[in-house]
Amino acid sequence: GNSVTQMEGPVTLSEEAFLTINCTYTATGYPSLFWYVQYPGEGLQLLLKATKADDKGSNKGFEATYRKETTSFHLEKGSVQVSDSAVYFCALSANQAGTALIFGKGTTLSVSS
Amino acid sequence: NAGVTQTPKFQVLKTGQSMTLQCAQDMNHEYMSWYRQDPGMGLRLIHYSVGAGITDQGEVPNGYNVSRSTTEDFPLRLLSAAPSQTSVYFCASREYGALNTGELFFGEGSRLTVL
Repeated sequence: GNSVTQMEGPVTLSEEAFLTINCTYTATGYPSLFWYVQYPGEGLQLLLKATKADDKGSNKGFEATYRKETTSFHLEKGSVQVSDSAVYFCALSANQAGTALIFGKGTTLSVSS
Repeated sequence: NAGVTQTPKFQVLKTGQSMTLQCAQDMNHEYMSWYRQDPGMGLRLIHYSVGAGITDQGEVPNGYNVSRSTTEDFPLRLLSAAPSQTSVYFCASREYGALNTGELFFGEGSRLTVL
């Protein structure tokens, strides 16, 4: 079946450090891939997405590239800020009219000044 | 912009009690869903609906009921609460079919404790 695997956290970084959160997936066909972010006490919100192989999603300095050959969608940011502290979820949608979004277990990022 | 509104934000129940978590959205989304979030488990789908009068089970439906009488509302009912249902519950909605971009819009969550 379809699944998403994320690196386990927590990830603890100093401000301005480089961030990578790994995400790999298993899916039939050609899924769309997403990164959602959850700030403390809030619901999830979409951070970025990619709908086909080699697409790069980007937002707020975060980037992720859809790599079909390695079935990966790693999240990166060149210089993190304290305000980036949150839980990050990788997710996939198996088809265009598909119903469920399948989430990874989430990775907690803590950035200190 | 209201988006997805969940009530209550916090609730404490005793084992065996029943309650309903309310969810309403004002974006005219056909698709609505309920997830539960537990430490180390990520988000797991409980039930979903692709339109008024249509509901289906997700990954962890046992102990929960849903109905969808209008496009706007999608309540989640716990008929006889158990401690295993202690969790944070999220309602989420999106477009369906050809309009679907995949983006889910989430409520702020409802934290439920069952004693």
